[in-house]
Amino acid sequence: SAVISQKPSRDICQRGTSLTIQCQVDSQVTMMFWYRQQPGQSLTLIATANQGSEATYESGFVIDKFPISRPNLTFSTLTVSNMSPEDSSIYLCSVEDLDSPKETQYFGPGTRLLVL
Amino acid sequence: AQSVAQPEDQVNVAEGNPLTVKCTYSVSGNPYLFWYVQYPNRGLQFLLKYITGDNLVKGSYGFEAEFNKSQTSFHLKKPSALVSDSALYFCAVRDHPNDYKLSFGAGTTVTVRA
Repeated sequence: SAVISQKPSRDICQRGTSLTIQCQVDSQVTMMFWYRQQPGQSLTLIATANQGSEATYESGFVIDKFPISRPNLTFSTLTVSNMSPEDSSIYLCSVEDLDSPKETQYFGPGTRLLVL
Repeated sequence: AQSVAQPEDQVNVAEGNPLTVKCTYSVSGNPYLFWYVQYPNRGLQFLLKYITGDNLVKGSYGFEAEFNKSQTSFHLKKPSALVSDSALYFCAVRDHPNDYKLSFGAGTTVTVRA
């Protein structure tokens, strides 16, 4: 499976600021996704990062709050904008390569965000 | 719409005893079913999946899961639990071919005592 890294691994931020999280994959993949895991909760899909076009957001998530970039097939960023304490979560990227018959999403190690 | 239910928030077993983590699902199409494990301060690790074929699938670390279509279940099992299996386990479903998105259950915390 692909090796996925995320930066930063954790951060503590002040409310009102923004943080950009990077996701790097060691091979080209078709699909990249961003999830949020709030404290003690399950994973919720934020959006699908589309290469060369705007991300596809799930209900309850908007581009102004969570802008996403995907400039190529191995890299994506998620920005958490104008942060509030409610944004304190683990943010995870995942990848799936539809070109190989694996139908499996693999996850990065996550970015632990605490907003004060 | 697709959904997953993990009816137990916590499962506690003694080391060496069988471990079962329950999962039921709801999809309109064909279910693709997955189990992931999350160790403290780590990301999600893929354990196993059911796509088609044999209802009993085997995965990493000695885990297996049985797909039961009539009961819409996909329970995770391990014949002999280890203390190192203590973690948070997530079941996930994908409604194939209608959707590529994963829906996750709430998670089950497994504690294996020595």
